[in-house]
Amino acid sequence: GQQVMQIPQYQHVQEGEDFTTYCNSSTTLSNIQWYKQRPGGHPVFLIQLVKSGEVKKQKRLTFQFGEAKKNSSLHITATQTTDVGTYFCAGKAAGNKLTFGGGTRVLVKP
Amino acid sequence: GAGVSQSPRYKVAKRGQDVALRCDPISGHVSLFWYQQALGQGPEFLTYFQNEAQLDKSGLPSDRFFAERPEGSVSTLKIQRTQQEDSAVYLCASSLGGTGGFNSPLHFGNGTRLTVT
Repeated sequence: GQQVMQIPQYQHVQEGEDFTTYCNSSTTLSNIQWYKQRPGGHPVFLIQLVKSGEVKKQKRLTFQFGEAKKNSSLHITATQTTDVGTYFCAGKAAGNKLTFGGGTRVLVKP
Repeated sequence: GAGVSQSPRYKVAKRGQDVALRCDPISGHVSLFWYQQALGQGPEFLTYFQNEAQLDKSGLPSDRFFAERPEGSVSTLKIQRTQQEDSAVYLCASSLGGTGGFNSPLHFGNGTRLTVT
């Protein structure tokens, strides 16, 4: 069945630095969504990407959908302590359910 | 209410007991989903409703798991004869949905943490 993998599993980053987390699907996706889950909380929707090569920005967060619609990335610039949490991508292949990746756990060192 | 409401927040069950987990979605949301999240893992799909119709239950791990949404609003996830491997957080999510249920953003509740002893 469809698999979604995220790397890295853990991301330790110094406050103020940039980093990127990656999401790869075993199948071509019709869309991909990103969620953030704070420690002890529930996943909260961040963004959805639909078009091949699409790039969307939310303040310091930049989301990209790959040309082949099988991968995506999230780039965070000037990391802040408020960025702490786990970032999940969730992909939908045509006719299939929304499958979540294992997440990237972000820890920020002040 | 303003968001998806789940109850109870915490449930401790002895192995072999039956449990029922409740989800109250956002008013007007057509689609409702149940996910299981083990510690340190991503949410795993269990089942999906569009109104009262259960359109996909492919993620239910065994016939001990049963979900219903009889009036197209509140949903209940029932687990019979609980086992230790059922221990996890059970997340409910709703979306505006419709025929493209999985194309709409999911709004998650706070989850029910089930511990089976």
